[in-house]
Amino acid sequence: AQSVSQHNHHVILSEAASLELGCNYSYGGTVNLFWYVQYPGQHLQLLLKYFSGDPLVKGIKGFEAEFIKSKFSFNLRKPSVQWSDTAEYFCAVTGNAGNMLTFGGGTRLMVKP
Amino acid sequence: GAVVSQHPSWVICKSGTSVKIECRSLDFQATTMFWYRQFPKQSLMLMATSNEGSKATYEQGVEKDKFLINHASLTLSTLTVTSAHPEDSSFYICSADDGTSGYNEQFFGPGTRLTVL
Repeated sequence: AQSVSQHNHHVILSEAASLELGCNYSYGGTVNLFWYVQYPGQHLQLLLKYFSGDPLVKGIKGFEAEFIKSKFSFNLRKPSVQWSDTAEYFCAVTGNAGNMLTFGGGTRLMVKP
Repeated sequence: GAVVSQHPSWVICKSGTSVKIECRSLDFQATTMFWYRQFPKQSLMLMATSNEGSKATYEQGVEKDKFLINHASLTLSTLTVTSAHPEDSSFYICSADDGTSGYNEQFFGPGTRLTVL
């Protein structure tokens, strides 16, 4: 069975600080990787996704993530966060053998103005 | 494109009553729909997977008689919480897969907040 772990449960940053949120997965086969964001009171939105090709993926709102196969990781990064990035971030994975999406526990980011 | 809606967005009911939540794919046909539950400050937990015209597949620990799922058409799936109790209070989220990307991408609805008194 596949699993996803996000090591940082809560992150507090000041505006303009750099962000990196960790995501590690456990799955033996080919994976598809996603980062979703959930702003307060809103529904899940896709930030970015990796299916194949260039392991450095650019997403919306200045986010990017790097797939490192040898480390089973898909960390999310942003060079300079804004107050509006305050939200909860979820890493998720599906395997090609099925379409079940497994979520990590989420990381709650608070950006102080 | 790829918009998923849910109705209602918010419902309060008395203990013992049943509540139906609808999930619709507005601009695509969803071969597969998923139902998740999210408790406060926790991650999404998959409850069940439904394919149009067939019985839903429930995750371990999810009572199929309590959470009835019907996927009657390629654009509509319903989740009925039967005889709801306060512990069923949660945020229920559906998602849909149009089956075209080949990479199992799901599109999420806005969620339904259920409060059982």
